[in-house]
Amino acid sequence: EAQVTQNPRYLITVTGKKLTVTCSQNMNHEYMSWYRQDPGLGLRQIYYSMNVEVTDKGDVPEGYKVSRKEKRNFPLILESPSPNQTSLYFCASSPLRAGSGTEAFFGQGTRLTVV
Amino acid sequence: DQQVKQNSPSLSVQEGRISILNCDYTNSMFDYFLWYKKYPAEGPTFLISISSIKDKNEDGRFTVFLNKSAKHLSLHIVPSQPGDSAVYFCAAINYGQNFVFGPGTRLSVLP
Repeated sequence: EAQVTQNPRYLITVTGKKLTVTCSQNMNHEYMSWYRQDPGLGLRQIYYSMNVEVTDKGDVPEGYKVSRKEKRNFPLILESPSPNQTSLYFCASSPLRAGSGTEAFFGQGTRLTVV
Repeated sequence: DQQVKQNSPSLSVQEGRISILNCDYTNSMFDYFLWYKKYPAEGPTFLISISSIKDKNEDGRFTVFLNKSAKHLSLHIVPSQPGDSAVYFCAAINYGQNFVFGPGTRLSVLP
């Protein structure tokens, strides 16, 4: 079954304690990205990756890091989480565009609370 | 400044009637548009899309209309069913790869 898997689904942490949210896809997609969803703001892109070892900032990258050492994995790293990073996070993957466009597949989401 | 706008945070429709969800965009470089549906505690799932070279795309009960001159697209659901109750996100892609999402519209279909 084609899927994007995020872990953990729920996480409560304290300010400043480093954490990693994992994301894995089994569709051999080149493109992966991270979004955060906040009320009234929709889905805002944090970071994206076009392929292995190729990453770039999205609209709201501050306070986040990513890595893409393997095609299937794209972890999101919060080196020093702060309360304003409390949010619902989604990982997505898609094949690189060919022609008119393509859809993205999303993970189930990770609800992060930073206290 | 939001490039993709969904000005109605919520919409309620009676079962069997038509649901119309609207989306406006500001970037004329967008060339592909998508609608995603999201249930609570799940990730968004792809619903329907349209290329900028078309003005209509239909898939069963779902039709997306694109008016490029007005930078406006809409999603029509006919007939609406209670299972359609969800948050709907409009998304746009420019000639690159990145998706830009709107803030979402919560649709409630009342039995």
